[in-house]
Amino acid sequence: GAGVSQSPRYKVTKRGQDVALRCDPISGHVSLYWYRQALGQGPEFLTYFNYEAQQDKSGLPNDRFSAERPEGSISTLTIQRTEQRDSAMYRCASSRLAGANEQFFGPGTRLTVL
Amino acid sequence: RKEVEQDPGPFNVPEGATVAFNCTYSNSASQSFFWYRQDCRKEPKLLMSVYSSGNEDGRFTAQLNRASQYISLLIRDSKLSDSATYLCVVNNRYGGSQGNLIFGKGTKLSVKP
Repeated sequence: GAGVSQSPRYKVTKRGQDVALRCDPISGHVSLYWYRQALGQGPEFLTYFNYEAQQDKSGLPNDRFSAERPEGSISTLTIQRTEQRDSAMYRCASSRLAGANEQFFGPGTRLTVL
Repeated sequence: RKEVEQDPGPFNVPEGATVAFNCTYSNSASQSFFWYRQDCRKEPKLLMSVYSSGNEDGRFTAQLNRASQYISLLIRDSKLSDSATYLCVVNNRYGGSQGNLIFGKGTKLSVKP
């Protein structure tokens, strides 16, 4: 079956622009997670949802970052007024149950801020 | 102290070698532990969970020492296809919350013919 998908796969933007990254989890998965991964590092937690409710956003770096999952399926991570330090791989993952051990990751969106 | 620390690697080993990865974690309240594998330019995938009594899956053995807050992964008879980055992962559970996963930086393994 279809796995987690993310779009766009690559995004190049100029500093100061807003970007929206999309995640389409595995159908029926309750929990959806956003991570950021720098080269040579493990994924860094940003935020997660159970259904449409945002459960924890403690990992969002600052108030330029926000996420939503309005219908409990697709999620969007928005970065406003992008800065060069925002450049990274942004990964989405989903799990079948809330608190389930196995998270299935998408291919990621490579964001480059010039 | 970082939340999850791993051997920095890289580990370069010949086929058939046995290799061990170590990991320590800082949150004594953590209750779930995992090893994920990440191939170059790919997404992380769950390799195995780590249970208190230790567990084995084929050539892979995972151990947990709660007292020392230490996790290990042993790979026996390594194959070329084992070449990847191995991520130590801990569920950052606190109180009654679900918690989120905390990933280590990963240890890169390269198995040579």
